[in-house]
Amino acid sequence: NAGVTQTPKFQVLKTGQSMTLQCAQDMNHNSMYWYRQDPGMGLRLIYYSASEGTTDKGEVPNGYNVSRLNKREFSLRLESAAPSQTSVYFCASSEEITLAQYFGPGTRLTVL
Amino acid sequence: AQSVAQPEDQVNVAEGNPLTVKCTYSVSGNPYLFWYVQYPNRGLQFLLKYITGDNLVKGSYGFEAEFNKSQTSFHLKKPSALVSDSALYFCAVRSRGTDKLIFGTGTRLQVFP
Repeated sequence: NAGVTQTPKFQVLKTGQSMTLQCAQDMNHNSMYWYRQDPGMGLRLIYYSASEGTTDKGEVPNGYNVSRLNKREFSLRLESAAPSQTSVYFCASSEEITLAQYFGPGTRLTVL
Repeated sequence: AQSVAQPEDQVNVAEGNPLTVKCTYSVSGNPYLFWYVQYPNRGLQFLLKYITGDNLVKGSYGFEAEFNKSQTSFHLKKPSALVSDSALYFCAVRSRGTDKLIFGTGTRLQVFP
């Protein structure tokens, strides 16, 4: 089991560029999440997906879109990157029985 | 509004001494409570959770946490700290019937030899 994988690990963008962060899990979890982590702010939920085919906004959805491609994959897209989106992005998945969330290794994104 | 507070940005403790990392929450009803640990340049790892039952829950790496409903607290504890416990610790809460976790801002634990 690879658990939760994320690509890329690092990315530098210029303001206005677009990109998609990829996330996949091999634990057969229904729920998946995207967070951003900023110093002194903890983790803030961007979007989540309770099941394949559904997505919902979290605390900070503006400037992002998501796609739950299938049960395994949940991607996060920045259509027009802004310096305020410089952050570390984490994907997570969870199972309903234990309620614990399992996190990927993160993507460190810098927007210049 | 739901919230989680970790009042200490950093906790320093000598190796072998007991440690406590504090967490209080403001959530309606009976929430689920979690602790996660983050090592440098890594994702978060699940440590333990409280769902129901015994107020003292045990988790990974010798950590435990005590749920106190009257004080709305869920403090993380370990009887004897190790240098390798040095990391960033996050408390999180989830309301029953929702999928969303709300995280505290994190507490950096530094264990000195």
